[in-house]
Amino acid sequence: VQLVQSGAEVKKPGDSLKISCKGSGYIFPNYWIAWVRQMPGRGLEWMGIIYAGDSETRYSPSFHGQVTLSVDKSINTAYLQWTSLKASDTAFYFCARVDGNAASVYYDNWFDPWGQGTLVSVSS
Amino acid sequence: QSVLTQPPSASGTPGQRVTISCSGSTSNIGSNTVSWYQQLPGTAPKLLIYSTNQRPSGVPDRFSGSKSGTSASLAISGLQSEDEADYFCAAWDDSLTVVFGGGTKLTVL
Repeated sequence: VQLVQSGAEVKKPGDSLKISCKGSGYIFPNYWIAWVRQMPGRGLEWMGIIYAGDSETRYSPSFHGQVTLSVDKSINTAYLQWTSLKASDTAFYFCARVDGNAASVYYDNWFDPWGQGTLVSVSS
Repeated sequence: QSVLTQPPSASGTPGQRVTISCSGSTSNIGSNTVSWYQQLPGTAPKLLIYSTNQRPSGVPDRFSGSKSGTSASLAISGLQSEDEADYFCAAWDDSLTVVFGGGTKLTVL
């Protein structure tokens, strides 16, 4: 089971960006994918989750309207997208498979495995 | 400001037992299970404990998790130099979001 993310990006404020997370070694449509932000030298922040089977999403209030989660199950890939980047978006972004309780994603679930992370740098 | 509260740092000498706490509320730790993640320098987080006290295969039994009320703990016994890392706790909240602790940097002296 593995998640492989796209490479580092260097962008300017106002640019758009879409980064990817490709799953392998498991039945991709059967799981949720989570996205987590880690700003330089800081902790982990949950951004939201997307179900790879039907693209149902749940966003953190802190990120709702700021980013868009999507998935293409035909190629086992999840995406995180910005329409207008800000300098404050500079961070590592990790995807992770949500594992655990199949009856409810909101109880007794955890993140495993994680992608290797994508560094997004936004500077003028 | 993270929803779950962890001490920013912890330390111990090789062979010692170290405990890292994670304090929450009735809407997260008090009503849901806890997971713990280890982040070695320059790498992605890795699952260490799930369902509050379960270890994934491959994680040494030196690592253990527990919970009491609205607080959880990660214990590391027989501390080794390779345990030097950042440790994060996480739990689902009744608001249907995941909350993380701010992380604890463990130093092996």
